[in-house]
Amino acid sequence: GEDVEQSLFLSVREGDSSVINCTYTDSSSTYLYWYKQEPGAGLQLLTYIFSNMDMKQDQRLTVLLNKKDKHLSLRIADTQTGDSAIYFCADSAGTYNTDKLIFGTGTRLQVFP
Amino acid sequence: ETGVTQTPRHLVMGMTNKKSLKCEQHLGHNAMYWYKQSAKKPLELMFVYNFKEQTENNSVPSRFSPECPNSSHLFLHLHTLQPEDSALYLCASSGQDYGYTFGSGTRLTVV
Repeated sequence: GEDVEQSLFLSVREGDSSVINCTYTDSSSTYLYWYKQEPGAGLQLLTYIFSNMDMKQDQRLTVLLNKKDKHLSLRIADTQTGDSAIYFCADSAGTYNTDKLIFGTGTRLQVFP
Repeated sequence: ETGVTQTPRHLVMGMTNKKSLKCEQHLGHNAMYWYKQSAKKPLELMFVYNFKEQTENNSVPSRFSPECPNSSHLFLHLHTLQPEDSALYLCASSGQDYGYTFGSGTRLTVV
């Protein structure tokens, strides 16, 4: 079946850039997503990218997609302590944006001063 | 407020109890989902409902029983659970927008 993999932890200094990586196996993915989960909360959609794009920028967030390698990354510029959270990569296992999402384990980002 | 409301936020239950989790959305979404979140594991999709009809049951044990009376409400009925069922249970909904809208989850502890 489809699989999404992420590293479990990332620690960065405040003001530096953070890069969170994700690999997926489903070659038919049409949309890939990044979600953020703060303590005690559900998942919040941060951004998404369509599979025919290789980059999307949204303020401090940059998403890079390498479809050949099935690799997705999320770069957070000027990381702040408020960015500390768990970040989930998700792959839409189907051709429609509302098809079921397959999530990774999440990467816990810790930002230290 | 995310638009998807889950109650209760926390639940402690014994292995012989019966309880229910509730999820409600008024976003006009037609699909609703239950996910299980355990530490260091990927989110596990449990059930999918589309227009009140169950379209996916991801090999979930029968001690978890979903119910979707209408497109706005989703329940997860629990009975004779095991300690390993302790987790955060997340409800989500989706419509024409991209991605899902999640609730804050119910933290379930089985003792």
